Amino acid sequence: QKEVEQNSGPLSVPEGAIASLNCTYSDRGSQSFFWYRQYSGKSPELIMFIYSNGDKEDGRFTAQLNKASQYVSLLIRDSQPSDSATYLCAVRNAGGTSYGKLTFGQGTILTVHP
Amino acid sequence: EPEVTQTPSHQVTQMGQEVILRCVPISNHLYFYWYRQILGQKVEFLVSFYNNEISEKSEIFDDQFSVERPDGSNFTLKIRSTKLEDSAMYFCASSAVGGRETQYFGPGTRLLVL
Repeated sequence: QKEVEQNSGPLSVPEGAIASLNCTYSDRGSQSFFWYRQYSGKSPELIMFIYSNGDKEDGRFTAQLNKASQYVSLLIRDSQPSDSATYLCAVRNAGGTSYGKLTFGQGTILTVHP
Repeated sequence: EPEVTQTPSHQVTQMGQEVILRCVPISNHLYFYWYRQILGQKVEFLVSFYNNEISEKSEIFDDQFSVERPDGSNFTLKIRSTKLEDSAMYFCASSAVGGRETQYFGPGTRLLVL
């Protein structure tokens, strides 16, 4: 069973702080890693993707990947109340029968308070 | 900006009835997916579809489920005889290429089986 694990939270941070969200995955064959944001009752909205070890920055967001540790994280700098949502980590294998399918974690609830 | 659309947004049905959920993927995308999310739970993969056939399906996608691309734009999920446990949010997603390409999600159809 290929698992993706996230701390469900809630994670509460003050406005302007850095929020750190973490995700681990069990399948070493995983090749692509995605962070989605989901507001209550809405669909997942892509924030970032990362394929290679290291950091990838996009505006206030930084994704970090460590394939040796099977760990991916998302940092949100200068957190805003509008960032309050559930953050979903999703992992995809490439090749074989898992081609294309995303496996999601249960999501981390983030609350940014003013 | 192109987006995935889904209809209806909400569907209420009686147990045992057939439902068809409709999706219009992004126009130049080639890979199509259905996921579902039971309230409070993870987003779960149901099926992927490419070149007019199923690429992969999960254990959830049993004989009660089917998918079809009846024309050049629509992608449908049919549940033949709905059960109470089919109540969930159903998301359609599409990607340009099935490998590393990002999957973009539609707004979802909330299905309630009574």
